[in-house]
Amino acid sequence: GAVVSQHPSRVICKSGTSVKIECRSLDFQATTMFWYRQFPKQSLMLMATSNEGSKATYEQGVEKDKFLINHASLTLSTLTVTSAHPEDSSFYICSAGDSWGHEQFFGPGTRLTVL
Amino acid sequence: AQSVTQLDSQVPVFEEAPVELRCNYSSSVSVYLFWYVQYPNQGLQLLLKYLSGSTLVKGINGFEAEFNKSQTSFHLRKPSVHISDTAEYFCAVTMDTGRRALTFGSGTRLQVQP
Repeated sequence: GAVVSQHPSRVICKSGTSVKIECRSLDFQATTMFWYRQFPKQSLMLMATSNEGSKATYEQGVEKDKFLINHASLTLSTLTVTSAHPEDSSFYICSAGDSWGHEQFFGPGTRLTVL
Repeated sequence: AQSVTQLDSQVPVFEEAPVELRCNYSSSVSVYLFWYVQYPNQGLQLLLKYLSGSTLVKGINGFEAEFNKSQTSFHLRKPSVHISDTAEYFCAVTMDTGRRALTFGSGTRLQVQP
């Protein structure tokens, strides 16, 4: 089956720093990638949709200048949390969809802790 | 817009007993339906999906779900659960056209007790 990786799996940083999370589709070309955020004991909330070669589409309430998304190739999307604060601490999960199916393939997630 | 309701936040059940996790959805267009399982500090694993065809869908680990269009439901069932089935289960929908972003339910914590 399709495999999606995320790196890093866990990151701890100081308040005010920026953190980059990578999402890669390992064995297929992902025309669309999605970024979700999950707070403890809660469901996944869609943050943004990124299409290769174009600007990401952000959900209402998500600050595009704080959560920078780049989808430079068909196998890589990055999420950069700029000037991170403790309230940004969360579990970030990406998923990737191919061009013909309706299924999304999820990465293992990145646990971000901002001190 | 679509929405997903998982009525039960927690479902405790004894090992080898049957279980049903409920999921209802609301949408003005046709949808595709999914059930995912999430173990602690891990990503999501697809259990099963309904795209079209037979309304009874069989998935991995002995799970199955039935799509009921009139009741807008997609309940997940397993005839006999194991301790290892303890996890969080999410029901999700996506429109059959368009950008295909998933809308998730709030999740149901299945707690299998010995």
